[in-house]
Formats: sequence, structure tokens, C-alpha cells
Amino acid sequence: EDQVTQSPEALRLQEGESSSLNCSYTVSGLRGLFWYRQDPGKGPEFLFTLYSAGEEKEKERLKATLTKKESFLHITAPKPEDSATYLCAVQASDYKLSFGAGTTVTVRA
Amino acid sequence: EAQVTQNPRYLITVTGKKLTVTCSQNMNHEYMSWYRQDPGLGLRQIYYSMNVEVTDKGDVPEGYKVSRKEKRNFPLILESPSPNQTSLYFCASSQGTTNNEQFFGPGTRLTVL
Repeated sequence: EDQVTQSPEALRLQEGESSSLNCSYTVSGLRGLFWYRQDPGKGPEFLFTLYSAGEEKEKERLKATLTKKESFLHITAPKPEDSATYLCAVQASDYKLSFGAGTTVTVRA
Repeated sequence: EAQVTQNPRYLITVTGKKLTVTCSQNMNHEYMSWYRQDPGLGLRQIYYSMNVEVTDKGDVPEGYKVSRKEKRNFPLILESPSPNQTSLYFCASSQGTTNNEQFFGPGTRLTVL
């Protein structure tokens, strides 16, 4: 059975304090790994897709990387507006999508 | 503006009273899907549709029905809601016939008493 585990569950950062979120997965034939951002009271918003080990994607202060067993979302010099829950999802070879429970990031000014 | 809309946003109902949550997208997307989100469990797929008149079960389809008569609409039907269907529901759509890069609606918070 496909599994996605995100850690930590919650992360409190000071503005400017860089950190990383982890997404570990087991999946039958990885087709793609997705990162989403979810603000309170809103639906998830797509951030990145990673397809193969070694791939990296960047957007503003966020950088996503992928290995054969996990993905990291690095937040560089975060700002309060980066506070959100970050969701990881893996797409298996049969296109089945499995989401992790998310990491809630709080950035204090 | 490209968007996925859901109605209602909030609903409190009683066990057994049939209800429908509507979902509409204006992006001409082929793929649409329904998810429920529960604390600690992440998003779980209920049903999905790769095109008009084509629907299939996700991970947790029991107690739900869907239909896809038009490309833009994908309503979620609870024929006889039960308290364990109390949850936050999201509709999503994406280009093509797979669940890549989905656009999510704002969510519907359902409480079944």
C-alpha cells in the first residue's frame, strides 16, 4: 500500500530562519510527487511537481528536491506570509494519488 | 478568473437527510475529483471523473455518489448522510485526464448530527 509520511507535523520558525520539511514515501512506481500549500479556510494551492530523483524546483523562497525515498521542501529566509500547511502527495504508476497529513509552518516576525 | 467553486461552503444537517454539494469549474478541465480532509489523515479521494459520463471510485467512496453530465459540473451526493461523514470536502480539477497539478475549490465544511 502506498504511504506518505510528512514530518514534522508542526514547525515554528523565526522570520529569516531557514528550515526543511520532509516527505517520505513508499509507492508502487512513482509517476510524480506534488507539493501543495494550504492556507487556513482555503483549498490547497499547487506549488511543484517532481518526476525523478535528483530533480529540483524553485519558487521564491521555496525549493523542492526529490530522492528515491523522500522529498524535501526547503524554506529559505521565511517570511510571515509563508505560514501555511504544506502538503505532499505521490502519484503511483496507476495514477492513484496519496496525500500526506501535512506540515503546518508558522513564521513569527 | 480561473476557479473551482463549491456550494454550500458550510452545511449542518441531520442523519439520513439527502444532500448535494455542487462543484463547478470554468477552466474546461477534463479531470475532476472529490476529496475529504480529516485531521491527521490527509486528503482522501472519494470519487473522480476523467471526462463527461466517466466516473470512478477513489479510496473512500462508501456513502457517496457523483455524476458528470456536463464537463464543468461534478456534484457530490450523500443519499443518507451519517455522522462519520462529518468532514471538510474539497472539489478539484485538472487539465488532461489525470490528477496532475490540481486546482482546488474553497471547501465545504459538512456537519452531520
